Amino acid sequence: DAGITQSPRHKVTETGTPVTLRCHQTENHRYMYWYRQDPGHGLRLIHYSYGVKDTDKGEVSDGYSVSRSKTEDFLLTLESATSSQTSVYFCAITAGENTEAFFGQGTRLTVV
Amino acid sequence: AQSVTQLDSQVPVFEEAPVELRCNYSSSVSVYLFWYVQYPNQGLQLLLKYLSGSTLVKGINGFEAEFNKSQTSFHLRKPSVHISDTAEYFCALLGSGTASKLTFGTGTRLQVTL
Repeated sequence: DAGITQSPRHKVTETGTPVTLRCHQTENHRYMYWYRQDPGHGLRLIHYSYGVKDTDKGEVSDGYSVSRSKTEDFLLTLESATSSQTSVYFCAITAGENTEAFFGQGTRLTVV
Repeated sequence: AQSVTQLDSQVPVFEEAPVELRCNYSSSVSVYLFWYVQYPNQGLQLLLKYLSGSTLVKGINGFEAEFNKSQTSFHLRKPSVHISDTAEYFCALLGSGTASKLTFGTGTRLQVTL
């Protein structure tokens, strides 16, 4: 299995609070992605990174920010959590444009 | 812009019957295509991938897919399914280029019954 770890695995938080999810890899892969998975929507890209300090928005980036200060860590922050952000969040990594992605086990976030 | 369309949200099938899960894509650049499977309460696992070369690719668990550039499709097939194939299947596209994005379809739920 690829060395990719998400933390926390489960979190319950209150509306309006900031939340940070962490994705850590030991593969030294260049690309890292954050997705959310919701029934009927599949996996939707929130933000992605193609190198240290190089990030870009995905299709559902509103209300989320990311940071990548070193290769191995990609942080996703919900600036002020809302109930619509209740979801399962997956991190993925790839080595390059012609390689498959490896996924973390997911973080189940509930905003109450 | 790039997109992936999985027209079938659910596909019911009897055990030992053949199955095809459809995937169509749209992209302005060269693409790499993947099928992933997700079993309940688990992460995603790669089934197969098309990077270049032969348009018929074989994956794990007896699955195969055919890349058809003219029809912009990458349908997944299995000649005989098992109960254990019950899962969610996702088609994904990776566009070529420095800042390539990995885009997923909405998924197809394969339900295999006796």
